[in-house]
Amino acid sequence: AQKVTQAQTEISVVEKEDVTLDCVYETRDTTYYLFWYKQPPSGELVFLIRRNSFDEQNEISGRYSWNFQKSTSSFNFTITASQVVDSAVYFCALSDLSGAGSYQLTFGKGTKLSVIP
Amino acid sequence: EPEVTQTPSHQVTQMGQEVILRCVPISNHLYFYWYRQILGQKVEFLVSFYNNEISEKSEIFDDQFSVERPDGSNFTLKIRSTKLEDSAMYFCASSLPVGLAETQYFGPGTRLLVL
Repeated sequence: AQKVTQAQTEISVVEKEDVTLDCVYETRDTTYYLFWYKQPPSGELVFLIRRNSFDEQNEISGRYSWNFQKSTSSFNFTITASQVVDSAVYFCALSDLSGAGSYQLTFGKGTKLSVIP
Repeated sequence: EPEVTQTPSHQVTQMGQEVILRCVPISNHLYFYWYRQILGQKVEFLVSFYNNEISEKSEIFDDQFSVERPDGSNFTLKIRSTKLEDSAMYFCASSLPVGLAETQYFGPGTRLLVL
């Protein structure tokens, strides 16, 4: 069965600090996808990134970067020079091919990030 | 940019009443999903839908739940007889077919409160 663990329940940082959100996953499949979603206080789920299991190249998008390591089953997310607008709950999610061919997402419990001005 | 829309944004109902939550997926997407998030908890999968039938459902999705695609654009979740524990945020999502860009894009959610 799939499982996603986000051990950090809440993190507080001062604006401009860097912060890393941890994600550890479990799956028996060799083909799977990993995601990060952001949930701001308004409640919607905003897609940030998708990674497939065959692509371990790290990715950078502006102040955001992701470190995917299959050896440790981790997909960590770093925000550089954090801003107040980064305050949100961040969810890591996993999808693999379920029996009927749909990629249902298994979410972690989320990490609430508070950026203090 | 195309997006998933959901109506209503908020719904308050009495226990035992039926509710229908509506979603309009992104137009060229073929897979549709419902998830729910009880306040302060993680997002949980309910059901996936493809080619006019359920492709997968979780143990949460019991006989009181049903989904339908009544026309070419809407995708609905019906809860037949609501319970207090159905109070949650319900998210609709859609994606392109498996093998292409499987990213699920979520709607803004419907916040359901059962009294």
